[in-house]
Parts: sequence; structure tokens; C-alpha cells
Amino acid sequence: EPEVTQTPSHQVTQMGQEVILRCVPISNHLYFYWYRQILGQKVEFLVSFYNNEISEKSEIFDDQFSVERPDGSNFTLKIRSTKLEDSAMYFCASGQVAGASEQFFGPGTRLTVL
Amino acid sequence: DAKTTQPTSMDCAEGRAANLPCNHSTISGNEYVYWYRQIHSQGPQYIIHGLKNNETNEMASLIITEDRKSSTLILPHATLRDTAVYYCIVRVHSGGGADGLTFGKGTHLIIQP
Repeated sequence: EPEVTQTPSHQVTQMGQEVILRCVPISNHLYFYWYRQILGQKVEFLVSFYNNEISEKSEIFDDQFSVERPDGSNFTLKIRSTKLEDSAMYFCASGQVAGASEQFFGPGTRLTVL
Repeated sequence: DAKTTQPTSMDCAEGRAANLPCNHSTISGNEYVYWYRQIHSQGPQYIIHGLKNNETNEMASLIITEDRKSSTLILPHATLRDTAVYYCIVRVHSGGGADGLTFGKGTHLIIQP
């Protein structure tokens, strides 16, 4: 069964450094998402992406964040200058159809900012 | 998006049906009810969704009241692997864009052996 994959599973970085989190969505999906979950808190929507542009973004997704689909398979989340409060689990998701219907989530990348 | 209310936690015996309620009294006519779950440390997993008719798939059944102000997710024969946080999410389908999901705190379902 096809699945969303994410790399790395765990990333440790120093405050102020740039990080890139990578995701490979399911191959025939057209809609892509990033979410985050701070330890012990709710899953929070960051951004959605369709047709090579951002479709929707939350207040969390400020100028420090960017997303890209550099080729036909990868979907990346970049944080330009990490802060301590960026420490969280980051989940990528993809979907085949428009709207908020079934989204398939990856296993997540745990980002630790020191 | 309409607000949802779910119990914080529930217990269910293994092998029994788990019935998880969700209130969404302010739901509007074009909003769907979605259920996802998150097993500890994993990504959320889609379970089922519906608009007004009851729905069933291989994982669960979704019962939506006639006035659509509440719904119940039913796991017919709960197993220990069903222990997870279950999220009820109400969301309108937009005109073709990619819509993010708004997760609440959900219900922590604990299946007891």
C-alpha cells in the first residue's frame, strides 16, 4: 500500500540554523500539507500546497517558513532560522482530491532545536 | 469551521463496540464530519467522513443524527491496537483548493484487555 514517507525521522539543530524537512507524498496525489505537533499539544495546520503554489496557510506559517516541490516527487518544508519553540513533530500529508477529504499522513520528523 | 466537542477520554473493553460521540451543534449545511485518529507518536490516520447519511467502511461506521448536530463513530470490535486519540473534525469542502484540517484535543480511547 502506498504511503507518505518523511526524512529524517529525527533532526537536531542549533538555534538560528536552517533546516529542511523532506517528504515524499503518495505518487498520484496532487494536494500536499504540512502540520506540526508540539509535544503534548494539538496537531496544528501549517500550510497546504496545490498546483505549485500555496493554497492555504495558518498564522504559524510566517516568513521563516517556506515550502517547495523541487521535483516531481519531493515536498519540502524549510525553516530559515530555527527558534527553540520550533521544536515539534512535523507531519507531511498528501491527498488525491480537493477539499479536506482523506489526507494521508507521514510518520513525522521530530525536530529538536537546542 | 464549526466547533466540535468530544469527551476527553473513554474506556472500552477489548472485543466490544467503541462508540465515540461528537457534538457539532453549529454545523452548517455544507460542512462534512471527518474522523481521524492518532496512535501514540504516529501521524494522524483518516478513518471516515460523511455529510448527512450514515457511512461505513472497513474501519468504522459513522452515524450522523438527522439534525446533523452530533455524530457517533463506532468501532465495531475494538482491539488493543485501537487505543488512540480520536478526532472529530468539521470542515467545509472548498472549491478545489487544498484545505487544512483543524484538530482539537480529541478523545483518548483506551481499550482495556
